[in-house]
This record gives sequence, structure tokens and C-alpha cells, in this order.
Amino acid sequence: AQKVTQAQTEISVVEKEDVTLDCVYETRDTTYYLFWYKQPPSGELVFLIRRNSFDEQNEISGRYSWNFQKSTSSFNFTITASQVVDSAVYFCALSLGNTPLVFGKGTRLSVIA
Amino acid sequence: ETGVTQTPRHLVMGMTNKKSLKCEQHLGHNAMYWYKQSAKKPLELMFVYNFKEQTENNSVPSRFSPECPNSSHLFLHLHTLQPEDSALYLCASSQDSTAPPYYGYTFGSGTRLTVV
Repeated sequence: AQKVTQAQTEISVVEKEDVTLDCVYETRDTTYYLFWYKQPPSGELVFLIRRNSFDEQNEISGRYSWNFQKSTSSFNFTITASQVVDSAVYFCALSLGNTPLVFGKGTRLSVIA
Repeated sequence: ETGVTQTPRHLVMGMTNKKSLKCEQHLGHNAMYWYKQSAKKPLELMFVYNFKEQTENNSVPSRFSPECPNSSHLFLHLHTLQPEDSALYLCASSQDSTAPPYYGYTFGSGTRLTVV
């Protein structure tokens, strides 16, 4: 069975600080897909990124970056120079491709001005 | 506008009521999902429909009854619920539940359900 663990329940940072959200996953399959979603107060989950198990290249998109390490089964998400608009709940998720997404419990990020 | 619309946004119902949640998407997706989001718990998958056929029921109590009349619409019929069923119910869609979701799922804003 697949499992996603987000050990950080809540994180609070001051604006402009960098923050890393941790995600550890478990699966015995060699092919899988990892995701990050953002859930603002409005409720809908917004897709941020997908990574497949064959691509360990890290990715940067503006202030967002993702560090995928198969050796530690981790897919961590870093926000550089955080802003108040980054305040949300962030979810990490895992799929085998033909199975539904399995989510972690989420990390609530509060960015204080 | 997320592409997936859920109604109502908020619902308060008594334990003896019957109500329905509605989800609609016009993204051309063929798979639709119901997830339950409770405080301090992971999102829990409830049901999956692919090309209108139910492909997964994640041991959901029978007081929750899904319906998928076509690939664009998904309902969740509720009856004799319990207070612990209070949660945010999220609907999502994707191209095909049997294929890798390259662009993830598209989620609606959810229905905040309170059972009193």
C-alpha cells in the first residue's frame, strides 16, 4: 500500500523567509508519480507540480522549488522569500499511475507580514 | 473558476434529512472522484467513477450513495448522517482514472457539510 507522510502539521514564518515543507512517501512500486497541491482558504486544491519516479531532476518555478530524492523517499518543497499569499495548506500526494491519488495530512503554512 | 463546480458550498443538515451534493465539470474529463477532508486527517478517497462506471468504493458507509449519470456530473446522496460525517467534501476530475494524471486532478472548492 502507498502512504504519504507530512510530519509538519503547521509552520509559521515571517515574510521573506525561506521555508521547506517535507514529504516522505512509501511504495514498493518502481513506477509512481508524486504531486504537490496548494489549498487556499477558498477550499479548492490547486495543482502545483507532478514528478514521476524516473525523473529525479530537481525543479524550480519562480520562488518554488522541489527536491526529489529516491534514496530517502522524499519530495520536499521549498518556498523562497515567502509572501503572505503563500499562506495555505499544502498537500503532497502519490499515485502509481493507475491508482487514485493518496494524500498526506497536509502542512498548514502561515506567512506573517 | 476552477473548471469543477460544486454545489452547494455550505450545507447544514439534521441526522434524519436527505440531501445531495452536486459536482459538475466541462473539462472533457472522464474520471470523477469524491474525497472527504476532515480536520487533521489525510484526504480520504471515497468513490471513483471512470467513464460513468464506479471503479472504487473505499469502504464508504451506505448512508453515502454516489451517482454518476454522465462523465460531466457526479452526485453524492446523503441520508441519516452522523455528526462525525461533518467535513469538507471535495470533488475532483481527471482525464482517465487508469492513466497517469500528468496534470494532476482538477478539484472543486468543496461542500462544507455540517451534520447537527
